[in-house]
Amino acid sequence: AQSVTQLGSHVSVSEGALVLLRCNYSSSVPPYLFWYVQYPNQGLQLLLKYTSAATLVKGINGFEAEFKKSETSFHLTKPSAHMSDAAEYFCAVSPSNQAGTALIFGKGTTLSVSS
Amino acid sequence: DSGVTQTPKHLITATGQRVTLRCSPRSGDLSVYWYQQSLDQGLQFLIQYYNGEERAKGNILERFSAQQFPDLHSELNLSSLELGDSALYFCASSVDLTGELFFGEGSRLTVL
Repeated sequence: AQSVTQLGSHVSVSEGALVLLRCNYSSSVPPYLFWYVQYPNQGLQLLLKYTSAATLVKGINGFEAEFKKSETSFHLTKPSAHMSDAAEYFCAVSPSNQAGTALIFGKGTTLSVSS
Repeated sequence: DSGVTQTPKHLITATGQRVTLRCSPRSGDLSVYWYQQSLDQGLQFLIQYYNGEERAKGNILERFSAQQFPDLHSELNLSSLELGDSALYFCASSVDLTGELFFGEGSRLTVL
């Protein structure tokens, strides 16, 4: 069975600081991994995805994530936080050998950005 | 705009009642997924339909049911509502290639 664990339900950074949101996964088969962002009163929007190609994945809004099989991790980073990055971020996993399977989401991390 | 449309956006009802939430997937997407988001449970997968057929079930209560129609829109029916059913219900659709889901803006259900 697949699962994801997001470490830290709340992360606070200053504007311009590094953003690091942690995600560890558990999967019995090679996984597909995703990061989604949810702004207040909106649906989830895909930031980036890992589908067994390059281990360093670049997404929208300057975010990137690195797939590390040895650490079963898929942490999300952004070099310099912007006020507009304040949102809730979700890591998700699905088994790569079952295309079209529902994603399993972590509990989310709320990112706060202060000026 | 993800292309996934959900109605209604907000719904307030009483315990014991029944409601229907509607979802129109992106054009061409055959799969529809329903998720429930609440503060205590997070995002929980409820059920998936593919081209009109139920494909997978998650943590869906027996009081809840869903279907996907020939035009691919889907409805989630919630009956005998309880206070704990108050949540944001999301519909998502996909092209079933790499698992990426496209989410609607959700239907916020409040049960009083």
